[in-house]
Amino acid sequence: KQEVTQIPAALSVPEGENLVLNCSFTDSAIYNLQWFRQDPGKGLTSLLLIQSSQREQTSGRLNASLDKSSGRSTLYIAASQPGDSATYLCAVTLLTGANSKLTFGKGITLSVRP
Amino acid sequence: NAGVMQNPRHLVRRRGQEARLRCSPMKGHSHVYWYRQLPEEGLKFMVYLQKENIIDESGMPKERFSAEFPKEGPSILRIQQVVRGDSAAYFCASSPVYRGFEQYFGPGTRLTVT
Repeated sequence: KQEVTQIPAALSVPEGENLVLNCSFTDSAIYNLQWFRQDPGKGLTSLLLIQSSQREQTSGRLNASLDKSSGRSTLYIAASQPGDSATYLCAVTLLTGANSKLTFGKGITLSVRP
Repeated sequence: NAGVMQNPRHLVRRRGQEARLRCSPMKGHSHVYWYRQLPEEGLKFMVYLQKENIIDESGMPKERFSAEFPKEGPSILRIQQVVRGDSAAYFCASSPVYRGFEQYFGPGTRLTVT
């Protein structure tokens, strides 16, 4: 059974700091991995999607990397801003079977202090 | 191109009533997923549907819960005889094909059972 872990559960940093959010998963037979952002009381916004054949994806100040063999992904946020404060979720799709359901971690709640 | 639409955004039901949650996928998307986010827990997969077909309902509680995605109209998640433990945020996601593409999430329906 696939399990996705995100540690720590919460993180507080001063504005301007570069930071790394970690995600680990137990079954390396994944099809892809997505990083999402969730603001309080809101839905999920997809940030980056990494296919299993890729090592990283970039969008603006965000960079996500994937190491399938070790079961890890990181989301790098450069020059953090108060507007980056949110919960960041990673989720994986398994390779096997016909289902493409996402298995989520519990998320990391990020607070960027002005 | 409108995003995934869910309604209602907030739903209050008394114990024993029925709850109907609706999801309209993005235009061109034929695959719908329902996820549930319980307080203090991560998002959990419930069911995966294509038009007129339930592909995987392994995450659905065995009783009181059902889902459909008819040929015409939105996908419906129905909860009969709601109990307090059903209070949660229910998210719908859609994708154009079953694998390899990003899942796009709706804003969610927040169900409160009193």
